[in-house]
Amino acid sequence: SYELTQPPSVSVSPGQTASITCSGDKLGHKYACWYQQKPGHSPVLVIYQDVKRPSGIPERFSGSNSGNTATLTISGTQAVDEADYYCQAWDSSTVVFGGGTKLTVL
Amino acid sequence: QVRLQESGPGLVTPSETLSLTCTVSGGSISDYYWSWIRQPPGKGLEWIGYIYNSGSANYNPSLKSRVTISVDTSKNEFSLSLSSATAADTAVYYCARVRRFCSGGSCATYYFDYWGQGTLVTVSS
Repeated sequence: SYELTQPPSVSVSPGQTASITCSGDKLGHKYACWYQQKPGHSPVLVIYQDVKRPSGIPERFSGSNSGNTATLTISGTQAVDEADYYCQAWDSSTVVFGGGTKLTVL
Repeated sequence: QVRLQESGPGLVTPSETLSLTCTVSGGSISDYYWSWIRQPPGKGLEWIGYIYNSGSANYNPSLKSRVTISVDTSKNEFSLSLSSATAADTAVYYCARVRRFCSGGSCATYYFDYWGQGTLVTVSS
C-alpha cells in the first residue's frame, strides 16, 4: 500500500518561513493536498492540487510537489499557524494521509 | 454554506456495530461524493471510505470487510456502519465532502473541502 511520510515535528520562529515535507514514491506524479488541524477542531484544507489555496486561506500558505516530495511552505509564520499539518494523496482509488507534523511557533 | 453534522451513539459495546449518520445542509447531497474519516485519540487521520449518490462506494482496504457506507438522498444524509467493533475503533469520526479533479474520463485526485465537527465514539464495555 502507498505510504506518505512526514516529520513528526517542525519548529519555526515567528516571522520566519516554515517548511513541512511529505514524502512518497513518485509523489510528484500525483496531486498532494494539505490540511491544518488545531487542537479540538476539525481539519481545514489549506492547499489542494499541489499549489492551489481554497478561498479564505492566507497567501502565506503555499505548496509545491516534485520528485518524491511535496512541501507546504508558510511564509511569515504567525503564532496562529501553530497546529498539526497532514498531507494527503490519492493512489489506486485509495485516499492516503501522512502521519502528521506538529508545527511549533516559538 | 455547506454544513455537515455527525450524529450517533458515543459509546459502543465491543463486538457490536458502530453506526453514525452525517446530515448535510446548505447543498444537495446528490451533487458530490461523501466520505468518512476517523482519528484515534492523539493520533493521525485515517480514511474509511466514500460514497456517491448512486450508492457506489469505495473503502479503505484495511477496513473493507467491516465497513458499509450508505446514502439517503431523500434525507440529504449518509451513514457509516462498522461491524465487530473493538477498542481499536475508538476515535473521533468525521464526515466530509469529497472534491475530485477529473480529466479525460479519469480522476487524478480526491480531497476533502468541508468537514463536520466530528464525534467521539468510544468502544468499551
